[in-house]
Amino acid sequence: AAGVIQSPRHLIKEKRETATLKCYPIPRHDTVYWYQQGPGQDPQFLISFYEKMQSDKGSIPDRFSAQQFSDYHSELNMSSLELGDSALYFCASSARGSLDGYTFGSGTRLTVV
Amino acid sequence: AQTVTQSQPEMSVQEAETVTLSCTYDTSESNYYLFWYKQPPSRQMILVIRQEAYKQQNATENRFSVNFQKAAKSFSLKISDSQLGDTAMYFCAYNSGGSNYKLTFGKGTLLTVNP
Repeated sequence: AAGVIQSPRHLIKEKRETATLKCYPIPRHDTVYWYQQGPGQDPQFLISFYEKMQSDKGSIPDRFSAQQFSDYHSELNMSSLELGDSALYFCASSARGSLDGYTFGSGTRLTVV
Repeated sequence: AQTVTQSQPEMSVQEAETVTLSCTYDTSESNYYLFWYKQPPSRQMILVIRQEAYKQQNATENRFSVNFQKAAKSFSLKISDSQLGDTAMYFCAYNSGGSNYKLTFGKGTLLTVNP
């Protein structure tokens, strides 16, 4: 079965650079969620989209932005990177009204040096 | 705001034995969903089991079962016949509105299964 695809798997950036993370949800899933998991931490909700519109917002810094495109894939754009942005970034998708719940991608590990 | 508390940062169990991981939560909602996720060293987040608050019957998935005490706001995970592959970080999580709302996670419990 198709899963949630995230790219890249690993990313190394320098401070003050920009990074773009991509997420391709499971086909027919219309909702995408982004989570940030720092080292030794629990995942923290950043933002979600339903039908290409932002549906909820969590602790996402102003330096970050995200969007969902017409093919339902989503991108998380991170600018002016800081050392503290180093984390595992998960994308998850779901189908509204479905009882199947979330499916997480394998994550993108971002390292800021 | 909803909170999820896992009071056991680390636990260990011998292979083939049974272990219970604790989770408590705080919410003012009457209907909600609770989950246990497993995160092995590969860092993949894997759904272990889910419970809908309006269902009194405890959820079970093979060797995994929960003890859901709604009045006490407690949601513990029991793993029977522990296997080496169960070694992972286990996160308890809360969702207020079904499958389409954000998850609030606990801090996690690192479970080690010893041979």
